[in-house]
Amino acid sequence: NAGVTQTPKFQVLKTGQSMTLQCAQDMNHNSMYWYRQDPGMGLRLIYYSASEGTTDKGEVPNGYNVSRLNKREFSLRLESAAPSQTSVYFCASRTVKGGSYEQYFGPGTRLTVT
Amino acid sequence: QKEVEQNSGPLSVPEGAIASLNCTYSDRGSQSFFWYRQYSGKSPELIMSIYSNGDKEDGRFTAQLNKASQYVSLLIRDSQPSDSATYLCAVKAAGNKLTFGGGTRVLVKP
Repeated sequence: NAGVTQTPKFQVLKTGQSMTLQCAQDMNHNSMYWYRQDPGMGLRLIYYSASEGTTDKGEVPNGYNVSRLNKREFSLRLESAAPSQTSVYFCASRTVKGGSYEQYFGPGTRLTVT
Repeated sequence: QKEVEQNSGPLSVPEGAIASLNCTYSDRGSQSFFWYRQYSGKSPELIMSIYSNGDKEDGRFTAQLNKASQYVSLLIRDSQPSDSATYLCAVKAAGNKLTFGGGTRVLVKP
C-alpha cells in the first residue's frame, strides 16, 4: 500500500495564479483532511471531509476550495494564489480502529507564491 | 490562549538520557491524545496515542495523561541522536478534527 500520496511535491506560483493540490489514499479511510504548516504555527486545518460527499471548513479555509472526488481522492484548490499562502500543505486520512482515532499524513507539498 | 500548548524548545538532552515533553490543552471535553514525530522536511508520523488517564508505554516511549490537570506528556527513554526531531501534540475533542500544538524541537547530543 502507498498510504497517502500527494502531488506535486513542490510548486512555485505567481500571485493570482490558480492550482490544485491532489491527494489520494489507498487505505479505505472515510475521513480526509488538508492542513497547512507554517514555521512556529504548527499544523492548521484548512478543510476536511468526514465521508465521501461531505466537506467542512476548518480553522483557516479562506482562499481555498476542496473537492472530495470519491472515497480515495480529496483535492485542494487555490483559485487566486497570494504570498500568504506560501506554506507546506499536508493531506491526511483517518482510520477508526477499535475505537481509536489515528490520522496518517502524506509527504506534503511545498508551495511558494511570489 | 492557544487550545493546545507546547514549549517550542529546543529541548537539548544528552544521548542516553530521558527527554520529557509536555503539552497542555484547554478543552475539558477532549477525548483522545496523540504524539507525532516530525523530522525536518518530512511529514508527521504517529508514535503514540492515549485515551485514558495514566501511563502508556511503547518501547522507549511513554505517554502520560492527566485529564483533571489537562496535560499530556511524552517521555523518551535512552534518547538517541535519531530521536532528534520536532514532536507534535494533538488533541481530539468532539467531532472529526484534531487540534495540534506548535511542537517541541528535541536535540539529542552524542
